[in-house]
Amino acid sequence: DAGVIQSPRHEVTEMGQEVTLRCKPISGHNSLFWYRQTMMRGLELLIYFNNNVPIDDSGMPEDRFSAKMPNASFSTLKIQPSEPRDSAVYFCASSPSLTQYFGPGTRLTVL
Amino acid sequence: RKEVEQDPGPFNVPEGATVAFNCTYSNSASQSFFWYRQDCRKEPKLLMSVYSSGNEDGRFTAQLNRASQYISLLIRDSKLSDSATYLCVVNPGNTGKLIFGQGTTLQVKP
Repeated sequence: DAGVIQSPRHEVTEMGQEVTLRCKPISGHNSLFWYRQTMMRGLELLIYFNNNVPIDDSGMPEDRFSAKMPNASFSTLKIQPSEPRDSAVYFCASSPSLTQYFGPGTRLTVL
Repeated sequence: RKEVEQDPGPFNVPEGATVAFNCTYSNSASQSFFWYRQDCRKEPKLLMSVYSSGNEDGRFTAQLNRASQYISLLIRDSKLSDSATYLCVVNPGNTGKLIFGQGTTLQVKP
């Protein structure tokens, strides 16, 4: 079975550019989570959706970050404009209940 | 105070050793508890759930002390392949989200 799919796996961009990260959850999972991981702050929850509806976005750092889930099989996390401090690994995870299954992550570098 | 606190380590142990990791959580209403494992430059993966009565999975034993708000993971007969970061994870209840600790790094040496 395919797990959670994320793209791109690596992204290098320049400050001020728009970045879009993509996620395809495991089929049948009704919850989707976006996390950011850095050495300093560890794994931080940014936002999560239940049945495609955003439930908790209190972890979204600021207005530069936005996330959408237009249907059960696709979600995006957008950063506009990007800044060097956004450099991190961004994980998407999906869940049928409490156990979360993570994608391989997108390693973002903002120069 | 962080919601979930762990000793970051690193713990450096020889093969065959027994090692224990501890974790404390701040929300006494927390409902469910887990240990996840994260290999270097990989995604976190569920290692095991933690039940009130304690539970074992092969060489791994997890314990929960609700009164002290304390979770532990014991690894017996450590293998080189156990080298990873172990994340203590708590579900605060009435929500589907999980709170992850910073992780404890284990390095098992030959």
